[in-house]
Amino acid sequence: KAGVTQTPRYLIKTRGQQVTLSCSPISGHRSVSWYQQTPGQGLQFLFEYFSETQRNKGNFPGRFSGRQFSNSRSEMNVSTLELGDSALYLCASSGQGVTEKLFFGSGTQLSVL
Amino acid sequence: GESVGLHLPTLSVQEGDNSIINCAYSNSASDYFIWYKQESGKGPQFIIDIRSNMDKRQGQRVTVLLNKTVKHLSLQIAATQPGDSAVYFCAEKNQAGTALIFGKGTTLSVSS
Repeated sequence: KAGVTQTPRYLIKTRGQQVTLSCSPISGHRSVSWYQQTPGQGLQFLFEYFSETQRNKGNFPGRFSGRQFSNSRSEMNVSTLELGDSALYLCASSGQGVTEKLFFGSGTQLSVL
Repeated sequence: GESVGLHLPTLSVQEGDNSIINCAYSNSASDYFIWYKQESGKGPQFIIDIRSNMDKRQGQRVTVLLNKTVKHLSLQIAATQPGDSAVYFCAEKNQAGTALIFGKGTTLSVSS
């Protein structure tokens, strides 16, 4: 069974731009969660989607948004990028629900210059 | 606020030793805990999980212990190998039970 796939692997953007990251969950998993990982703050929950609906949201500004498609693939978007948005963005899927075992992808490393 | 912390940011052991990684959690109502391993350049990988109705759970070379009285979680790795070198995270459910809250991580270094 293929794991969680995230694209692209690396991204370099400049301040003020926007970016879209993509995530394909494990086949059959309907829940997709997004996390931001930085050396200072660690892993922080962004949001979770289930059956195309945002079910839970973390404490991030509205510049961070996402969506999920009917095939469970998910995208997250960050608008008006700031230097502090530089981070590893991790997507995780779950077949049991957001608070159970999550399977993570390798992440997208975003650098904002 | 909610937080899941680890007692030590780094741990260095010799190959073959047993490793113990500790974690203190704050949500006394959490009924689910989980450990992840993250190697450089990769996403977190599931190691083992435990529910609050258990005190101990064993996997292959790993054991998780849960002490609800003092809100403490530990991961024991038997016969540690160089391939175990990674960052280890514990996580628990947040207060609302809607997401996993991760600790800062402990970097395990295994020397041969």
